[in-house]
Amino acid sequence: RKEVEQDPGPFNVPEGATVAFNCTYSNSASQSFFWYRQDCRKEPKLLMSVYSSGNEDGRFTAQLNRASQYISLLIRDSKLSDSATYLCVVSVGSNYQLIWGAGTKLIIKP
Amino acid sequence: NAGVTQTPKFRVLKTGQSMTLLCAQDMNHEYMYWYRQDPGMGLRLIHYSVGEGTTAKGEVPDGYNVSRLKKQNFLLGLESAAPSQTSVYFCASSYSRWDTGELFFGEGSRLTVL
Repeated sequence: RKEVEQDPGPFNVPEGATVAFNCTYSNSASQSFFWYRQDCRKEPKLLMSVYSSGNEDGRFTAQLNRASQYISLLIRDSKLSDSATYLCVVSVGSNYQLIWGAGTKLIIKP
Repeated sequence: NAGVTQTPKFRVLKTGQSMTLLCAQDMNHEYMYWYRQDPGMGLRLIHYSVGEGTTAKGEVPDGYNVSRLKKQNFLLGLESAAPSQTSVYFCASSYSRWDTGELFFGEGSRLTVL
């Protein structure tokens, strides 16, 4: 089992819809969680950190479920500009090494 | 606002050739990283540095060397390139330890080894 797993997609979603995807992790001791977005052939950029109580940033909501070992990202009122690959990042081990998921591709259609 | 700058952006090498990728950041960050990204896989850490004059091995260090002689620069070297090193390489930097804050990435360097 991979340490961090994501559905590769693509998720094809109409503009204005709500979309959610999950990222599962295998190490129950993981402490830090992040979502990055990566546009096609560009560098990753931090979208948001994920806090234990869940957090929201505009149309984006991130949740952490420690019992089931997954984090989620929900995007409301999706925009064409939300089309990207969303990377899940989890810290593991005594060195807090970051493990990156392979990403979930999201395509917003007009 | 330059942020993190990588050079070159593209390079084609023949097996056995050597090259150096240069990363420069203007944010006065202590931490710098070299990652590689391959299709269907998450980013993998090659080497990292926690400050000027320091380097450490990441997840996939074999075949690569690094140096951090100046705080703003982090060089990644391939001494004898192999086709398995065909990848997109990203440099990143951060103000605080990697798991505590944002990593800022360069635009990437696409390397093809024939």
